Amino acid sequence: QSALTQPASVSGSPGQSINISCTGTSSDVGTYSLVSWYQQHPGKAPKLMMFEGSKRPSGVSDRFSGSKSGNTASLTISGLQAEDEADYYCCSYAGSHTYVFGTGTKVTVL
Amino acid sequence: QVQLQESGPGLVKPSETLSLTCTVSGGSFRGYYWTWIRQPPGKGLEWIGHMYYSGQTSYNPSLNSRVAISIDTSQNQFSLKLRSLTAADTAVYFCARGGSHLNWFDPWGQGTLVSVSS
Repeated sequence: QSALTQPASVSGSPGQSINISCTGTSSDVGTYSLVSWYQQHPGKAPKLMMFEGSKRPSGVSDRFSGSKSGNTASLTISGLQAEDEADYYCCSYAGSHTYVFGTGTKVTVL
Repeated sequence: QVQLQESGPGLVKPSETLSLTCTVSGGSFRGYYWTWIRQPPGKGLEWIGHMYYSGQTSYNPSLNSRVAISIDTSQNQFSLKLRSLTAADTAVYFCARGGSHLNWFDPWGQGTLVSVSS
């Protein structure tokens, strides 16, 4: 199992939209619609932001949306706000009751 | 709402066994996967393994020979044991509840830093 590939960093100005990609293989992202996304502020525990690719948990802003195409999942943050500055990780089910996380993306609000 | 809290030693010697406990409050064990995830300092997240409430376990293949997860529902706790520690096992260890459809981890404990050093 290799980590899913994410860009190391993505930045945007307040109000803009950004997209974070998460590229896996046909053994994980490409086969299962079980990609989840987590937001992690420094020194804090990760927080669930999206599951099953495009479903938002209760309480998560609708500025966050998710999608998947082939072996790549994506998280889009619209109307970027200062509080969105954090690390973001994708995670995919990888079969046989195992999971693989992404390499992580640092989002900076300019 | 459900809350999770890790506990255990902050410093363990190389070659020894790490034992961590996660105490669950405000919810039932039934129907979920009780999960351990770790994060080396400054690095990304790594799924360690989980135990379903009924007892089935699954572990990361890279750790499979060294790890064991157990549940004690009478104490509202689940535990992690990781054997033969090296410096590479230094990390913040998180416990989390996994969705019954293998689809999410939520909530997470606050995490506990474990350093492996003599």
